[in-house]
Amino acid sequence: GAGVSQSPSNKVTEKGKDVELRCDPISGHTALYWYRQSLGQGLEFLIYFQGNSAPDKSGLPSDRFSAERTGGSVSTLTIQRTQQEDSAVYLCASSRLHGGTSYEQYFGPGTRLTVT
Amino acid sequence: QKEVEQNSGPLSVPEGAIASLNCTYSDRGSQSFFWYRQYSGKSPELIMSIYSNGDKEDGRFTAQLNKASQYVSLLIRDSQPSDSATYLCAVKSGGSYIPTFGRGTSLIVHP
Repeated sequence: GAGVSQSPSNKVTEKGKDVELRCDPISGHTALYWYRQSLGQGLEFLIYFQGNSAPDKSGLPSDRFSAERTGGSVSTLTIQRTQQEDSAVYLCASSRLHGGTSYEQYFGPGTRLTVT
Repeated sequence: QKEVEQNSGPLSVPEGAIASLNCTYSDRGSQSFFWYRQYSGKSPELIMSIYSNGDKEDGRFTAQLNKASQYVSLLIRDSQPSDSATYLCAVKSGGSYIPTFGRGTSLIVHP
């Protein structure tokens, strides 16, 4: 079946502009995660959505970052007033939930964001 | 603070050898363990998951879990140059939906 999809695959923006990154999870996966990976670095957790529950925003680095998930499916990560340090690959992952347990995460191809 | 530690490497092995990748974790309440492979410039790809002590085999890959010693390892038999990648270990506690990832171990399989 179809995997996690993300768009755009690449985004170049000027410092100070707002950007929106989109994630479409695997059908039936109720858990959705956003991560950031800077060049040569590990995965940095940003935000987690589970069904209709309030998201876990504990990883968002500043109030310039926000995310929403509409209809329990597609998610959008928005970065306002982008800064050069926001340049990274933004990864989305989804997983299924069963009996209150989340299972393996499946990652999308990522969006490479470059802020000039 | 939950920690997952991996040797950054690179781990260099000859083609056909067994590659052994190790991961230790700090949270004794951890219940779910995952190994991902990440090629340069690509996103992480799930290799396998393990939830119980002991070994779990899938093709050339074997995951080994020892909760008492708080480590999980990944063995790759008959290593191929195409296995050259960074391997990420992820650990999740029973009460959390968010896994903690290690920084990854770089594996190089040379012909």
